[in-house]
Amino acid sequence: NAGVTQTPKFQVLKTGQSMTLQCAQDMNHNSMYWYRQDPGMGLRLIYYSASEGTTDKGEVPNGYNVSRLNKREFSLRLESAAPSQTSVYFCASTMEEWVHEQYFGPGTRLTVT
Amino acid sequence: QKEVEQDPGPLSVPEGAIVSLNCTYSNSAFQYFMWYRQYSRKGPELLMYTYSSGNKEDGRFTAQVDKSSKYISLFIRDSQPSDSATYLCAMSPNTGGFKTIFGAGTRLFVKA
Repeated sequence: NAGVTQTPKFQVLKTGQSMTLQCAQDMNHNSMYWYRQDPGMGLRLIYYSASEGTTDKGEVPNGYNVSRLNKREFSLRLESAAPSQTSVYFCASTMEEWVHEQYFGPGTRLTVT
Repeated sequence: QKEVEQDPGPLSVPEGAIVSLNCTYSNSAFQYFMWYRQYSRKGPELLMYTYSSGNKEDGRFTAQVDKSSKYISLFIRDSQPSDSATYLCAMSPNTGGFKTIFGAGTRLFVKA
C-alpha cells in the first residue's frame, strides 16, 4: 500500500498563475482533507470531503477550490496564486468523517513569487 | 489566544533521556487527543491516540490527558537519535476529524 500520495513534491509559481495539487489514497478511506502548514502555526484545514460527492470549507478556504474526483482522489486548485499561499500543503484521509486518526501524504512545497 | 498552545522548542536532550512534550488547550469540548510525529520534510504520522482523560502507553511512548487542567503530555523514555523530529499535538471534539485542531509542533533533537 502506498497510503496517501501527493504530486508534485515541489512547485514554484508566479503570482497570478494557477495550478492543481493532486492527492490519492489507496486505503479505501471515505474522507479526505487538505491542510496547509506554515511556520509557527499548526496545520490549518482548507477543505475536506466527508465522502465521495461532498466537499466543505475548512478554516482557510479563500483562494482555493477542490474536487473529489472519485473515492481515491481529491485535488486542490489555486486559481490565481498569491504570495500568501506560499506554504507546505498536506493531504490526509480517514476511514470515515467521524474517525479522528488521520493519515497524511508527504506534502507539496509551494512557493509563489 | 490560540485554541491549542505548544512550545515550539527546540528541545535538545542526550540519548537515553526521558522527554516530556506538552500542550495546553482552551476548548473543553475536545474529547480526542492525538500526537503526531513529523520528520523533516515529511508528512505527519500518527503516534498516539487517546480518548478523554487518562494514560495510554505504547512501547517507549506514554500519552497523558488531564482534562481538568486542559493539559496533555507525551513522554518518551530512553530517547533515541531516531526520535529527533517535530511532535504535533492534535485534538478534536466528538463531531469528527474535520474539527481537529493542531498545535504548531515542538522540535526535538536527541543527541547521540
